[in-house]
Amino acid sequence: QVQLQQSGPGLVKPSQTLSLTCAISGDSVSSNSAVWNWIRQSPSRGLEWLGRTYYRSKWYNEYAVSVKSRISINPDTSKNQFSLQLNSVTPEDTAVYYCAKVRSGSGVFDPWGQGTLVTVSS
Amino acid sequence: DIQMTQSPSSLSASVGDRVTITCRSSQSISSYLNWYQQKPGKAPKVLIYAVSSLQSGVPSRFSGSGSGTDFTLTISSLQPEDLATFYCQQSYSIPFTFGPGTKVDIK
Repeated sequence: QVQLQQSGPGLVKPSQTLSLTCAISGDSVSSNSAVWNWIRQSPSRGLEWLGRTYYRSKWYNEYAVSVKSRISINPDTSKNQFSLQLNSVTPEDTAVYYCAKVRSGSGVFDPWGQGTLVTVSS
Repeated sequence: DIQMTQSPSSLSASVGDRVTITCRSSQSISSYLNWYQQKPGKAPKVLIYAVSSLQSGVPSRFSGSGSGTDFTLTISSLQPEDLATFYCQQSYSIPFTFGPGTKVDIK
């Protein structure tokens, strides 16, 4: 049974970098049949997919256009986890952030991490 | 990007009622439509995938139908534990997008 455990700060200052980590148990970040995603949820934007990373003989990343210039999602094979970095944050980046797995070819987000409320404020 | 809409945005129904939620996509997504349930303070959980396939462990009172651009989630007999917000999500093309949600209250 796959479980995802998120960690990271809940408060980030404007213009700084938001960093979150998603630790995977019951699967491998290097799996050829999994895709690892970050999604956020806010009252103004609803559920918004931010990006994903996956391994198919080499590493691939894909990002939402809305954050493409500011985002980086990176796997850490030594710790079996993946991370989210979002640069130059503003109060509009305040949201609950989730990591989630997609089984390759399914397009279904399952399971999800527990969620992290990140507030951007000075 | 494919836009997803849902109706109604909220509803209130009694225990035992049949509840129907509609989801529409801005272009055809074939059968690449999934439904999630989010209870207060929790992450969303998949209920139905590929329009009508019930996720393991999900009660059979939940069902889905539709194709192309119009889809429906039905709860055949609403239960108190169904208090939640329901979201549709298209998995036809990246970026995967979600509907705005339908909040279900129990009268």
